Amino acid sequence: ETGVTQTPRHLVMGMTNKKSLKCEQHLGHNAMYWYKQSAKKPLELMFVYSLEERVENNSVPSRFSPECPNSSHLFLHLHTLQPEDSALYLCASSQEIDGHYGYTFGSGTRLTVV
Amino acid sequence: KQEVTQIPAALSVPEGENLVLNCSFTDSAIYNLQWFRQDPGKGLTSLLLIQSSQREQTSGRLNASLDKSSGRSTLYIAASQPGDSATYLCAPESANQAGTALIFGKGTTLSVSS
Repeated sequence: ETGVTQTPRHLVMGMTNKKSLKCEQHLGHNAMYWYKQSAKKPLELMFVYSLEERVENNSVPSRFSPECPNSSHLFLHLHTLQPEDSALYLCASSQEIDGHYGYTFGSGTRLTVV
Repeated sequence: KQEVTQIPAALSVPEGENLVLNCSFTDSAIYNLQWFRQDPGKGLTSLLLIQSSQREQTSGRLNASLDKSSGRSTLYIAASQPGDSATYLCAPESANQAGTALIFGKGTTLSVSS
């Protein structure tokens, strides 16, 4: 158990479906992140929440919608996805106090869009 | 924009060898640098965290060095074992359009044979 829990572990959804990915951290961290990992590509940063405030990332399509209701929980709402959105979605958390400290990652959600 | 390059992309060695994995990054204005390992289809496991003011960190058979001014980090693995087989990822923490976050290279995929 890494301290960051992601559910579900696997998800198959149609292009017209709406689904949500959930992330929960048990480490008392104050920042949370969504990353996307596609085959043969580096991990791509999608969203950053610091002290529960979202930092905009204009390069992410609007079919991905994050939500951070509190410092321990992070969601990624998905709607009308495309097959190229199939990937491993990873959540991470970190603690920032007068400096920057290490990140802890969850095990990821393997998403397949059909 | 921070870009991270890892060399080699893949490495196959017999058990017992000492290894060197290289990482370079284009923007030296980093807060810290973290090394991870990733097993196929899994999340990321943190190996070592080097703060920007530090030169190296050690954990067991692993030693990571950081030369911030030249934009380089090296991960040394001593006496490699088959269990070390995984993809190793280097990630400096930098400011970018989505806030402060880790930026990843494509990784080095290591295979250690018995």
